[in-house]
Amino acid sequence: DAGVIQSPRHEVTEMGQEVTLRCKPISGHDYLFWYRQTMMRGLELLIYFNNNVPIDDSGMPEDRFSAKMPNASFSTLKIQPSEPRDSAVYFCASSRNTGLHGYTFGSGTRLTVV
Amino acid sequence: QKEVEQDPGPLSVPEGAIVSLNCTYSNSAFQYFMWYRQYSRKGPELLMYTYSSGNKEDGRFTAQVDKSSKYISLFIRDSQPSDSATYLCAGSSNTGKLIFGQGTTLQVKP
Repeated sequence: DAGVIQSPRHEVTEMGQEVTLRCKPISGHDYLFWYRQTMMRGLELLIYFNNNVPIDDSGMPEDRFSAKMPNASFSTLKIQPSEPRDSAVYFCASSRNTGLHGYTFGSGTRLTVV
Repeated sequence: QKEVEQDPGPLSVPEGAIVSLNCTYSNSAFQYFMWYRQYSRKGPELLMYTYSSGNKEDGRFTAQVDKSSKYISLFIRDSQPSDSATYLCAGSSNTGKLIFGQGTTLQVKP
């Protein structure tokens, strides 16, 4: 099992550019979560999917953020246009069922917007 | 107020010490509680989970939940330098939505 795979590992972009983060969940996991981690705010849930359907996107900070899950093995988080305050580590996690026995996290994408 | 509050530390202890990490939470609907460990520049990994109140032990680690006071604890016995990491507590109702604390950074000195 390769675990949750995220790409890219690091992304540096200029303010105003579009950024796309990618995630491949563990095969057989039907829940997928996107989190953002910063020193100031810790780990914040942005959005989660069940069976490819968005269930709760109340954590998405604003309309510049969007997420999709076109199939069970792939999800994207897009920021357009990006701003310096979006700089953070973005984690994807997946779980079987509701994940009440824990999620498996990817290694994260470290985003820097300059 | 955040739903899960955790002192960010840092906490520094000598090798072999007993470590106590604590969180408080405000959401009465939380039934599931977890501790994750995160090494520098890595994703969080599940350490322990508990359901409702009570204790759970796994090797050198003990998780404790007191729902009456909305208090979550993790105890580490015989701490090792390899335990140096950030420890995140988290709570969830039955929706699967996991809410994390800020994380406590622990350093165990040889």
